[in-house]
Amino acid sequence: AQTVTQSQPEMSVQEAETVTLSCTYDTSESNYYLFWYKQPPSRQMILVIRQEAYKQQNATENRFSVNFQKAAKSFSLKISDSQLGDTAMYFCAFMRSELWANAGGTSYGKLTFGQGTILTVHP
Amino acid sequence: ETGVTQTPRHLVMGMTNKKSLKCEQHLGHNAMYWYKQSAKKPLELMFVYSLEERVENNSVPSRFSPECPNSSHLFLHLHTLQPEDSALYLCASSQAVTGGAEAFFGQGTRLTVV
Repeated sequence: AQTVTQSQPEMSVQEAETVTLSCTYDTSESNYYLFWYKQPPSRQMILVIRQEAYKQQNATENRFSVNFQKAAKSFSLKISDSQLGDTAMYFCAFMRSELWANAGGTSYGKLTFGQGTILTVHP
Repeated sequence: ETGVTQTPRHLVMGMTNKKSLKCEQHLGHNAMYWYKQSAKKPLELMFVYSLEERVENNSVPSRFSPECPNSSHLFLHLHTLQPEDSALYLCASSQAVTGGAEAFFGQGTRLTVV
């Protein structure tokens, strides 16, 4: 079974500064997907960024970027120029790719989440 | 209305009650999921429906009963719950045939069992 570990229960950063959230995972799979989701006080989980394990290039989305180290099974999220609206709980998540293969005629994606990191951006 | 909508947003129920949580998605997805989010624990996958067929049931107690009448609607029927079932219940949907597809989540139902 896969496991995802986020070792930082809480982090804080000043507005406009940079912060890095850590995530490690354990799997025997060679192909998979990794995600960072954000859950603000409104409770709705929102995708921040997505990485495909077979791609060596680190994913970036505007102020958000990842440092994907496949051999080390590490997937950290860097938030640059932090904004007050970035205050939220951040979840790292893992998805096996093989569950997308047809199994009895159906396919789906199962997410395994870490415990989450509460990020607070201070003005 | 777009995205994934869950009702009700808040629910308080006694241990002998029967209630249902509703989830509706307007994204044209064909896979839907129920997750449980408890304090200080990772999100736990409860049920998965793909193409309206239940494809995963993660050892969830029978007091939770899912129903997926069509690809746009998902229900979670609750009966004789325990206080430890109090949690945030999140519904999600995705496009099942696309590898690594993003899951879209609703805002959840905050359930309190008294």
